[in-house]
Amino acid sequence: NAGVTQTPKFQVLKTGQSMTLQCAQDMNHNSMYWYRQDPGMGLRLIYYSASEGTTDKGEVPNGYNVSRLNKREFSLRLESAAPSQTSVYFCASRRLGDGGELFFGEGSRLTVL
Amino acid sequence: DQQVKQNSPSLSVQEGRISILNCDYTNSMFDYFLWYKKYPAEGPTFLISISSIKDKNEDGRFTVFLNKSAKHLSLHIVPSQPGDSAVYFCAASALKTSYDKVIFGPGTSLSVIP
Repeated sequence: NAGVTQTPKFQVLKTGQSMTLQCAQDMNHNSMYWYRQDPGMGLRLIYYSASEGTTDKGEVPNGYNVSRLNKREFSLRLESAAPSQTSVYFCASRRLGDGGELFFGEGSRLTVL
Repeated sequence: DQQVKQNSPSLSVQEGRISILNCDYTNSMFDYFLWYKKYPAEGPTFLISISSIKDKNEDGRFTVFLNKSAKHLSLHIVPSQPGDSAVYFCAASALKTSYDKVIFGPGTSLSVIP
């Protein structure tokens, strides 16, 4: 019963390096989300995807790109990492019409030096 | 500008007493509200939700109240237990529209003192 799986769980990058955070869900959900959590800021929406093939910007999209590869997978890419992107990243999914509840992964802690 | 606000960063309550966590929102399109609980080093987990057609929803020790005219909701935990100590996030979405964003507040850290 995996739910939402994120990889990697930890990553350290140098400024300017690139990386991709992977997310997969096995609940047949339509919508998927990427959030970042920072102290005092709560969970801020980076990008979301209402369905396969569509993506939309959230509250803080700058510096990120996303790909909804198929219904299961939604990846988040940092093309040129900056120290301001040091954060904990959470992927989530939900099935509309089911009460709107989001299911979250365990998070990916990213440090940019 | 934050669309979902939780103005109390922290709250401390004695075990057995009531905990009241507050949340305010600004966007009138929101019609569905959720509360999440988060322990350190874990993902947020769903606690309780409420639709805008209701003003109260109860699940065991947890009750959420919604005041649409004031754009305010609150989560009541009765009685509070030490295991309730966590960060609580309020979230809002607009299910009836194509606006599929789910926006979270900054969270309130609850400490329940034994």
